[in-house]
Amino acid sequence: DTGVSQDPRHKITKRGQNVTFRCDPISEHNRLYWYRQTLGQGPEFLTYFQNEAQLEKSRLLSDRFSAERPKGSFSTLEIQRTEQGDSAMYLCASSQPTWGSPLHFGNGTRLTVT
Amino acid sequence: AQTVTQSQPEMSVQEAETVTLSCTYDTSESDYYLFWYKQPPSRQMILVIRQEAYKQQNATENRFSVNFQKAAKSFSLKISDSQLGDAAMYFCALHTGANSKLTFGKGITLSVRP
Repeated sequence: DTGVSQDPRHKITKRGQNVTFRCDPISEHNRLYWYRQTLGQGPEFLTYFQNEAQLEKSRLLSDRFSAERPKGSFSTLEIQRTEQGDSAMYLCASSQPTWGSPLHFGNGTRLTVT
Repeated sequence: AQTVTQSQPEMSVQEAETVTLSCTYDTSESDYYLFWYKQPPSRQMILVIRQEAYKQQNATENRFSVNFQKAAKSFSLKISDSQLGDAAMYFCALHTGANSKLTFGKGITLSVRP
């Protein structure tokens, strides 16, 4: 179990630029989640996948956000035309598909939009 | 829709003492899972304890135990013999269905005084 890994750890970008984050889940985990966390707040759900299928998307996920999980392995989260309000920690987590299985989180990618 | 409420933003405990962190939730489901997660400063979120709603017995993991009151929709975490390493943000979370997301509360910051 190598854990959930996210890349990069930090990203600083200028407003209007596009950014892409990557998440590698624990290999035997079918489910993969993206959450956003701002300072001092709890994680807010963005989207999740079971294998390659994107099963749910939050209304927080505007059309500037897109997530993919090709072949049901790693996942990418892209933010187009970034805005200062996108500055946050983006957390990825994975779990087994069994209901009630705990989520295993990565270290997150901290995005700063200047 | 489900909600998780953590009304205490901060708490402090003396080392070796016991502290209880409160959480209430709301869901129309009769079966669900509840979790407490710990997020140390600048470190990844890890699972502390899990409770299945249909089990009346309160979950226990070493120094961590819960007081689960289903009728009151209350799920508090008790930390016994507090240690300096327990200092972190603690999040209560709810998982209601096989194909649903994990919903988090806003968290509580616990500090431990030496």
